[in-house]
Amino acid sequence: GAVVSQHPSRVICKSGTSVKIECRSLDFQATTMFWYRQFPKQSLMLMATSNEGSKATYEQGVEKDKFLINHASLTLSTLTVTSAHPEDSSFYICSASWMGQGWTEAFFGQGTRLTVV
Amino acid sequence: RKEVEQDPGPFNVPEGATVAFNCTYSNSASQSFFWYRQDCRKEPKLLMSVYSSGNEDGRFTAQLNRASQYISLLIRDSKLSDSATYLCVVNPSGADKLIFGTGTRLQVFP
Repeated sequence: GAVVSQHPSRVICKSGTSVKIECRSLDFQATTMFWYRQFPKQSLMLMATSNEGSKATYEQGVEKDKFLINHASLTLSTLTVTSAHPEDSSFYICSASWMGQGWTEAFFGQGTRLTVV
Repeated sequence: RKEVEQDPGPFNVPEGATVAFNCTYSNSASQSFFWYRQDCRKEPKLLMSVYSSGNEDGRFTAQLNRASQYISLLIRDSKLSDSATYLCVVNPSGADKLIFGTGTRLQVFP
């Protein structure tokens, strides 16, 4: 299957700092990338959908000024958690897909475990 | 009503057992359905797509019931390695995103 690389896999940062997470599709051009957050023992919650070259679409309740998403190319999307606080500690996962004739499966990155201290 | 609903479990079954999970979805116009598997602290991985006619892959069988708006996953001859969380995933019609259920946790014991 296709490969999606997410980096870093784990990060610990101080409260008030910003953290950038990268998501790369290594062997295909991802027209759409998704960012999810997962708290312990909870389901994946979609944060935002980004299409290459356009602004991300955020889900209700997700602050777009806090979670900055950039999808500048067909192989790279970034999520920046600005002014992180302990409640932002979570598992962040990206997935990438492309729309051809109908929907295709989404391929996931390995996830980033963010701990804000 | 949630867009995608699953029984969170856990389902505790012995090796060799047959176990089935259901997942209901609210948008009757939904077009694409998937089952993903997620191991603890790992990313989800596609287990199988769910087709209108149903599909089978080894010990795993997926079914779609559009009239009742649910999909199912049947696992036969459970293995210890099947222990994981199984996520029901739906692409609502016209939407450019995937909606995940909360997942059903399966624990297979010796």
